[in-house]
Amino acid sequence: DTGVSQDPRHKITKRGQNVTFRCDPISEHNRLYWYRQTLGQGPEFLTYFQNEAQLEKSRLLSDRFSAERPKGSFSTLEIQRTEQGDSAMYLCASSLVGTVSSYEQYFGPGTRLTVT
Amino acid sequence: GQNIDQPTEMTATEGAIVQINCTYQTSGFNGLFWYQQHAGEAPTFLSYNVLDGLEEKGRFSSFLSRSKGYSYLLLKELQMKDSASYLCAVRDDTDKLIFGTGTRLQVFP
Repeated sequence: DTGVSQDPRHKITKRGQNVTFRCDPISEHNRLYWYRQTLGQGPEFLTYFQNEAQLEKSRLLSDRFSAERPKGSFSTLEIQRTEQGDSAMYLCASSLVGTVSSYEQYFGPGTRLTVT
Repeated sequence: GQNIDQPTEMTATEGAIVQINCTYQTSGFNGLFWYQQHAGEAPTFLSYNVLDGLEEKGRFSSFLSRSKGYSYLLLKELQMKDSASYLCAVRDDTDKLIFGTGTRLQVFP
């Protein structure tokens, strides 16, 4: 257990429905990252926050995806009008920038999304 | 563009040594990471290299050559529990991680 938690762990939804995932980072961490991982592939970057500011968003992220980190603590990732291609593991990671060990990103257990 | 290459699969015998190679071409470089990932679980941090050379941590060592865009992860005294995927990732100039596809290692008795 890295201290990063994600909820839910599994989500099955029908195509066209909206889903929202939550990530709770390690409490003092100021950076929070979202990645997506499909079977047999490495994680791919989606977006990241420093405190409550969203600093970068991948070109892979369509307009159906939105992420927030309203108080600089937990974050939510929403997918609207889900498509079968959205089926993947959604991973959250956090880090503390500005310290000696700020390079390390700690990953949560992930939310596995299945779109039927 | 961003490109990180590592072998898709490797096999080894319990007690042996295995070396997993990784080559990269990325826009910016702020360090190279190795993560271990068991099936259905989150990646867990193994090592970080930002300067050239070898970093040793118990049974695991990682090497980096920035001029060659090359790294390897060395696993010694392999155990059955080392069967997992090993992910090579580069931290780019905006601090996000760019991952390779991962190397699935199977350790046989």
